[in-house]
Amino acid sequence: DSGVTQTPKHLITATGQRVTLRCSPRSGDLSVYWYQQSLDQGLQFLIQYYNGEERAKGNILERFSAQQFPDLHSELNLSSLELGDSALYFCASSQEWGHSYEQYFGPGTRLTVT
Amino acid sequence: AQTVTQSQPEMSVQEAETVTLSCTYDTSESDYYLFWYKQPPSRQMILVIRQEAYKQQNATENRFSVNFQKAAKSFSLKISDSQLGDAAMYFCAYRSMNYGQNFVFGPGTRLSVLP
Repeated sequence: DSGVTQTPKHLITATGQRVTLRCSPRSGDLSVYWYQQSLDQGLQFLIQYYNGEERAKGNILERFSAQQFPDLHSELNLSSLELGDSALYFCASSQEWGHSYEQYFGPGTRLTVT
Repeated sequence: AQTVTQSQPEMSVQEAETVTLSCTYDTSESDYYLFWYKQPPSRQMILVIRQEAYKQQNATENRFSVNFQKAAKSFSLKISDSQLGDAAMYFCAYRSMNYGQNFVFGPGTRLSVLP
């Protein structure tokens, strides 16, 4: 158990809908990352937040947005969903100070768009 | 921008044998971190080993060790005494120390362990 929690585990929704994925980082970790992994594909970095502020952005679609709240949990919002958005969405957290820069991943949220 | 290459899409190893997975990266930075992550069929991402670029000594974690060649920008993972549970996708990752930069993952190597 990495200490990173993600909810829900599975999500099935229809095209055009909007969903919210939630992530709670490990205790003490200030940074949260979001990744998308399609079937048998690598990890696509979406966005990073550090202590409530956006720090880095990857290939995140305009239909997607995220935020990190004062208690450091983060939400990824996906709207106007398309079939191609079906994927495993990972959240990872990291301390980002001292010598602790490794990421610890949550179990992922499997999104199926029908 | 940094890139990470894993030139072996698939590899296999006999149980109890040793296997080495390759990773090369491209960067102009001098300070960074490198990681290997394992993704078994459960699809959970598990940190295997980490290496700080400023350390010359190669990292070791039980049966897992790395061969870090900074000048060659190479970071290979050696798995000794392979076990069936080692079967997974292995991702090499680069972590920049520059603000606003981020983790870059390689495409992965799928390792099969043969009984």
